[in-house]
Amino acid sequence: QSALTQPASVSGSPGQSITISCTGSSSDVGGYNFVSWYQQHPGKAPKLLIYDVSSRPSGVSNRFSGSKSGNTASLTISGLQAEDEADYYCSSYTSSSTHVFGTGTKVTVL
Amino acid sequence: EVQLVESGGDLVQPGRSLRLSCAASGFTFDDYAMHWVRQAPGKGLEWVSGITWNRVPIGYADSVKGRFTISRDSARKSLYLQMNSLRAEDTALYFCARDMYAGTSSYDYWGQGTLVTVSS
Repeated sequence: QSALTQPASVSGSPGQSITISCTGSSSDVGGYNFVSWYQQHPGKAPKLLIYDVSSRPSGVSNRFSGSKSGNTASLTISGLQAEDEADYYCSSYTSSSTHVFGTGTKVTVL
Repeated sequence: EVQLVESGGDLVQPGRSLRLSCAASGFTFDDYAMHWVRQAPGKGLEWVSGITWNRVPIGYADSVKGRFTISRDSARKSLYLQMNSLRAEDTALYFCARDMYAGTSSYDYWGQGTLVTVSS
């Protein structure tokens, strides 16, 4: 149950697009289309942004999009805004029927 | 309105036990799998355990296997986490979360968490 690998930090200027990667293995990310992404602001509970690799829950901005290629999933934030500054986590279902989170990425808006 | 409210967090000594609770409201509790996720101070999220709608444990993280037990009570619309043989590394904010569907790691609602501190 090793954590999925994410970059520690990603930054961008307002209006730009950034992409956060989430790398696992064929036993988790690569084996199932059950990858989710969460946004967490300091002192708050996480918020679901993307589920099933690329689906958005109702109410989530279409500036957030997800994709997957092989064992790596990605979250893209387009039109970066100051309010997007937060921590982001991926998660995946695993072959053991358990779940695993990514190591987390701090997004900074320059 | 969906609400998840955790309780039971406390300061406990290493080796002791603690039981966390999560009270659910605003949705049909029996229709959803539920999970516990924790976050150590300044660290990332860690999935702890999950349970299906019909009370079957989905599994446990290796770090808690054999020490923690997840359960749920339909009548009380509550989720529980029995934590035994607590260690300093179990210190964290414990969240309960609702799984959107079928145990797929898509948690659409979260509580605000309850803090567990393990220290002598």
